[in-house]
Amino acid sequence: AQKITQTQPGMFVQEKEAVTLDCTYDTSDQSYGLFWYKQPSSGEMIFLIYQGSYDEQNATEGRYSLNFQKARKSANLVISASQLGDSAMFFCAMRENTGFQKLVFGTGTRLLVSP
Amino acid sequence: EAQVTQNPRYLITVTGKKLTVTCSQNMNHEYMSWYRQDPGLGLRQIYYSMNVEVTDKGDVPEGYKVSRKEKRNFPLILESPSPNQTSLYFCASSRPGPKYNEQFFGPGTRLTVL
Repeated sequence: AQKITQTQPGMFVQEKEAVTLDCTYDTSDQSYGLFWYKQPSSGEMIFLIYQGSYDEQNATEGRYSLNFQKARKSANLVISASQLGDSAMFFCAMRENTGFQKLVFGTGTRLLVSP
Repeated sequence: EAQVTQNPRYLITVTGKKLTVTCSQNMNHEYMSWYRQDPGLGLRQIYYSMNVEVTDKGDVPEGYKVSRKEKRNFPLILESPSPNQTSLYFCASSRPGPKYNEQFFGPGTRLTVL
């Protein structure tokens, strides 16, 4: 069965610094996708970045990059140059590319960016 | 604008009073899901639908019902709500296939059952 583990309940970072949010996953499938979502205090789920299991390069989207280490089954999110508006909950999720392809989420990491 | 809408956004109700949370998407997506979010547990799938009249249980279906009579709508029904169903609920839609990389989420419905 799929499982996502986020071991950091909370992280603190100073504005303009980089931060890494950890995510490890478990699956027996060869084809899968990894996602990161941001949830600000307003509650909506905002899609940030996607990495496919067969993608050879790490995904990047602006200040977000995904450090994908397939052998270690890790998909850490790196936020460069943190901004105050980055303070939010961040969820890692995985989708197996078979059947319904549901998303399985981790428990989340709350990031607090200080001035 | 491509979007998933949910109504109501906030609801306070009492134990046993039937309620429906509506979900609608305007992207002609085949796949739709309901998730609930609880502190420390992340989001967990309640029910999903792969197309009209095709629905199945997710990880936490007890106490919920769904229907998919039209492609755009996927209502969540709580026949007899209980306090342990107090949660933040999200509807999501997507296209099938690994090529489509994003699930679109609605804004969420915060439900309190007293």
